[in-house]
Amino acid sequence: GAVVSQHPSWVICKSGTSVKIECRSLDFQATTMFWYRQFPKQSLMLMATSNEGSKATYEQGVEKDKFLINHASLTLSTLTVTSAHPEDSSFYICSARFWGAEETQYFGPGTRLLVL
Amino acid sequence: QKEVEQNSGPLSVPEGAIASLNCTYSDRGSQSFFWYRQYSGKSPELIMFIYSNGDKEDGRFTAQLNKASQYVSLLIRDSQPSDSATYLCAVTPGFGNEKLTFGTGTRLTIIP
Repeated sequence: GAVVSQHPSWVICKSGTSVKIECRSLDFQATTMFWYRQFPKQSLMLMATSNEGSKATYEQGVEKDKFLINHASLTLSTLTVTSAHPEDSSFYICSARFWGAEETQYFGPGTRLLVL
Repeated sequence: QKEVEQNSGPLSVPEGAIASLNCTYSDRGSQSFFWYRQYSGKSPELIMFIYSNGDKEDGRFTAQLNKASQYVSLLIRDSQPSDSATYLCAVTPGFGNEKLTFGTGTRLTIIP
């Protein structure tokens, strides 16, 4: 399958700071990437759809000014959690749409964020 | 509210047996169906996808789709301890609309 990487894999930060998470498609170009959040023992919740060269589309209830998404190239999307608070602590996972024989989504390894 | 429902489990299956995981969805217009495996602390890994009614086999895995009943299942033959994980069913509304809606997952434990 196609490879998607995320960096960092783990981050601990103080409340009020901003954290940037990178998502890269390593062996294919991804015009569309997705950002999910997963709280313990819950399923993945889509936060936003990131489109290369245009503004991200946010799901209902997700603050676009708090979760800044930039998709500057066909292989890189970034999610910045601004002014992080303890309730933002979660597992953040990106995925990239891959157009092979059939359309599928491949996930990055995830970034675990802990806000103190 | 478009939903994807799964039995949360845990589902315990003896090693070597067949594990059967089920998923129902509420949006009758759904077109694409995916099964992901998620180990604890890791991100989901795509196992299979299915678009057409019927069965699709890939190694020890078989996905079954019944659009009339709005039901999709995953069978794992010759279950191995390494198959112990949470299995997530995901659905997209249609071709070209790639937003995945996930079920809450079924936790599967293979007993040696």
